[in-house]
Amino acid sequence: EPEVTQTPSHQVTQMGQEVILRCVPISNHLYFYWYRQILGQKVEFLVSFYNNEISEKSEIFDDQFSVERPDGSNFTLKIRSTKLEDSAMYFCASTTGLASGEQFFGPGTRLTVL
Amino acid sequence: AQSVAQPEDQVNVAEGNPLTVKCTYSVSGNPYLFWYVQYPNRGLQFLLKYITGDNLVKGSYGFEAEFNKSQTSFHLKKPSALVSDSALYFCAVRPRSNDYKLSFGAGTTVTVRA
Repeated sequence: EPEVTQTPSHQVTQMGQEVILRCVPISNHLYFYWYRQILGQKVEFLVSFYNNEISEKSEIFDDQFSVERPDGSNFTLKIRSTKLEDSAMYFCASTTGLASGEQFFGPGTRLTVL
Repeated sequence: AQSVAQPEDQVNVAEGNPLTVKCTYSVSGNPYLFWYVQYPNRGLQFLLKYITGDNLVKGSYGFEAEFNKSQTSFHLKKPSALVSDSALYFCAVRPRSNDYKLSFGAGTTVTVRA
């Protein structure tokens, strides 16, 4: 069964450093998402991406964040200058684009900012 | 604004007993409704969804959910719980519009004791 994959599983970085989180969505999916889950809190939407551009973003997704689909398979989230409060589990998700389609989530990347 | 409430942080049941995890929502129109499960150190796994039609939806691993429009609820149920059902359960909603993001509840930790 196809699945969403994410690398790395755990990333430790120093405050102020840039990090890139990588995702490979399911191959025939058209919509891609990033969510995050701060420890002990609910899963929060960050950004959605379709047709090579951002379709929606939350207030969390400020200028420090960017997304890219550099080729036909990868979908990346970049944080330019990490802050302590960026420490969280980051989930990538994808869906076919059907209005009623469920989103399929990757296993997540745990980002720890020191 | 849309919101999802899971009123119980924790649900504890004995194996073999029925399991119910509650969810209520506040979204304009008739949203799509989803349940996801998260096992330790794993991503979110899709369980089931309500799109339209029959108010009782059946999903993976013997779970089902009942949609109640008048009470704006979408409670998750399993007639006979297993120890392996112990996990974190999230209810999520998505409006029937071009807004594709999911809004999640805070999650309910289910513990099934042998």
